[in-house]
Amino acid sequence: AQKITQTQPGMFVQEKEAVTLDCTYDTSDPSYGLFWYKQPSSGEMIFLIYQGSYDQQNATEGRYSLNFQKARKSANLVISASQLGDSAMYFCAMREAIGSGGSNYKLTFGKGTLLTVNP
Amino acid sequence: GAVVSQHPSWVICKSGTSVKIECRSLDFQATTMFWYRQFPKQSLMLMATSNEGSKATYEQGVEKDKFLINHASLTLSTLTVTSAHPEDSSFYICSARDLGKTQYFGPGTRLLVL
Repeated sequence: AQKITQTQPGMFVQEKEAVTLDCTYDTSDPSYGLFWYKQPSSGEMIFLIYQGSYDQQNATEGRYSLNFQKARKSANLVISASQLGDSAMYFCAMREAIGSGGSNYKLTFGKGTLLTVNP
Repeated sequence: GAVVSQHPSWVICKSGTSVKIECRSLDFQATTMFWYRQFPKQSLMLMATSNEGSKATYEQGVEKDKFLINHASLTLSTLTVTSAHPEDSSFYICSARDLGKTQYFGPGTRLLVL
């Protein structure tokens, strides 16, 4: 079963407008972390924002904010005031503990959303 | 912030040859390193997790004899694609985790097997 679901293969937004990229996740572990990464055409993975499962408030980083709805298991990324340079692939990822002991983790990625910002 | 480098960034090789990709954490000690593979227009798929000084743990469906991973030090991990074939052409990305839980990604290596 897919653990991270991004239902939007592609999204378009006008420059200077806000856009929301959807992400839902599935886990039975009470402790987990949710990440958003941006991947431009160069291929590098750029960390944008992180939300821990126990964090009470939604994470924000500049123009990026994470709409964390724990009961719904969703962690949508909101980009405000879109810029042309925001055009890229966006991946949602979840960190889960693997094995026992609690010291090993792995990231599982969603399929990504290709965001295009139009001038 | 922490930096992870990969070398080479591009490699083109003939079918049947072996290719080694290096992943280095430049300013921190990485107890755990991860290797991912990404095909065009697809997501990152975890291939294996390696802890310094121990054998790598491979994900289901990844051939450990084909993708040799060595994590000999706290700053270096290598992935060797043995007897590469055209279907191994992909974008390979390493990631390194510091003593906390933060995971940093390298810039990736594009492999083209002719």
